[in-house]
Amino acid sequence: DGGITQSPKYLFRKEGQNVTLSCEQNLNHDAMYWYRQDPGQGLRLIYYSQIVNDFQKGDIAEGYSVSREKKESFPLTVTSAQKNPTAFYLCASSIGGQGGEQYFGPGTRLTVT
Amino acid sequence: AQKITQTQPGMFVQEKEAVTLDCTYDTSDQSYGLFWYKQPSSGEMIFLIYQGSYDEQNATEGRYSLNFQKARKSTNLVISASQLGDSAMYFCAMKTGFQKLVFGTGTRLLVSP
Repeated sequence: DGGITQSPKYLFRKEGQNVTLSCEQNLNHDAMYWYRQDPGQGLRLIYYSQIVNDFQKGDIAEGYSVSREKKESFPLTVTSAQKNPTAFYLCASSIGGQGGEQYFGPGTRLTVT
Repeated sequence: AQKITQTQPGMFVQEKEAVTLDCTYDTSDQSYGLFWYKQPSSGEMIFLIYQGSYDEQNATEGRYSLNFQKARKSTNLVISASQLGDSAMYFCAMKTGFQKLVFGTGTRLLVSP
């Protein structure tokens, strides 16, 4: 079955630690995205990548980093510089270009204490 | 700048009734796409329906249809014959050209027996 996987579903970290969230897709999509969702809010774009080895900052990139070394994978690192990292993180992919809806993974709920 | 507005924080509907969720958008672009997503309590975002700005017909997808009024810049989602499983958050989103997907703040729909 084609789809997007994110692991783990729940993640707990101590303040000051970097943490990497995984996102893998087997839909052969060129574009991939990372969003953050806070309680009662819509989605805000952190980073996106339209093609391998290229990515751009979204609206709230500070404190986050990404890489896109393979078409299938777009990991997100939440660094210690992110002031409020506790949130629900969603990864998505699309065929890219001007068209195409985005398909989402199941999300990772990160709690930092 | 692109903006999506969903003015209904919550909506209630009885099972088997129809419900309309409102969405207005703001863009100066002539070419754009409008999307609706459903987010159940599990957190995943499920793509429901798409409307292109040049589409002359209102989009329909099973029990979902859009009331697209271009001049008023609105794209309301109509869910017919509501089911208990329709209880979820619903997000309206817009994409212009190669730009990112911009989301509204969502509407929580509760379907009662």
